[in-house]
Amino acid sequence: QQQVKQSPQSLIVQKGGISIINCAYENTAFDYFPWYQQFPGKGPALLIAIRPDVSEKKEGRFTISFNKSAKQFSLHIMDSQPGDSATYFCAARLGETSGSRLTFGEGTQLTVNP
Amino acid sequence: ETGVTQSPTHLIKTRGQQVTLRCSSQSGHNTVSWYQQALGQGPQFIFQYYREEENGRGNFPPRFSGLQFPNYSSELNVNALELDDSALYLCASSLQTENTQYFGPGTRLTVL
Repeated sequence: QQQVKQSPQSLIVQKGGISIINCAYENTAFDYFPWYQQFPGKGPALLIAIRPDVSEKKEGRFTISFNKSAKQFSLHIMDSQPGDSATYFCAARLGETSGSRLTFGEGTQLTVNP
Repeated sequence: ETGVTQSPTHLIKTRGQQVTLRCSSQSGHNTVSWYQQALGQGPQFIFQYYREEENGRGNFPPRFSGLQFPNYSSELNVNALELDDSALYLCASSLQTENTQYFGPGTRLTVL
């Protein structure tokens, strides 16, 4: 019940295209859903996050879509650029009573070809 | 504003040894979480410290232990190292009252 499942494992898109990464969860106690971007040799950096009472959040080229009834959420990267090439992780947070721990998906390696 | 820093950057140990990793939290952050990231996988929650006490623990054995100091910096200690402990160890700081965790660059531990 603690798992977050992420797909696809890897994704190749052309410059200017749309990148879509999907995640699904089981535990309805999760209360916060961030997406992180990680470059090789670096720590994860927060991209965008959403709470379950919101169905969509957009920041620049990045959009999270959230479907509470299906327990699924996705990251859309519009106008993908070669600089977006990185590994993306979805995560879900258990609240304060559980130490505010983040449970991460397995990651998606995104390659944007020029 | 200073970000999360970790030391050392890289570390090589042999099986059975002990290791201490260090983390300085972002300025003003009172909560520190530690994660283990094996190669090609997502980070796994080890534990969290708030007000110098452990505030939640993941599925890791007792040989993984930690400390938080009055200045909110933190240490992760691992005893009796095993080969499977080879990973990137990430520290994340946050405010207890807020959602976002900010990660440091990590310490790459190799156990031979």
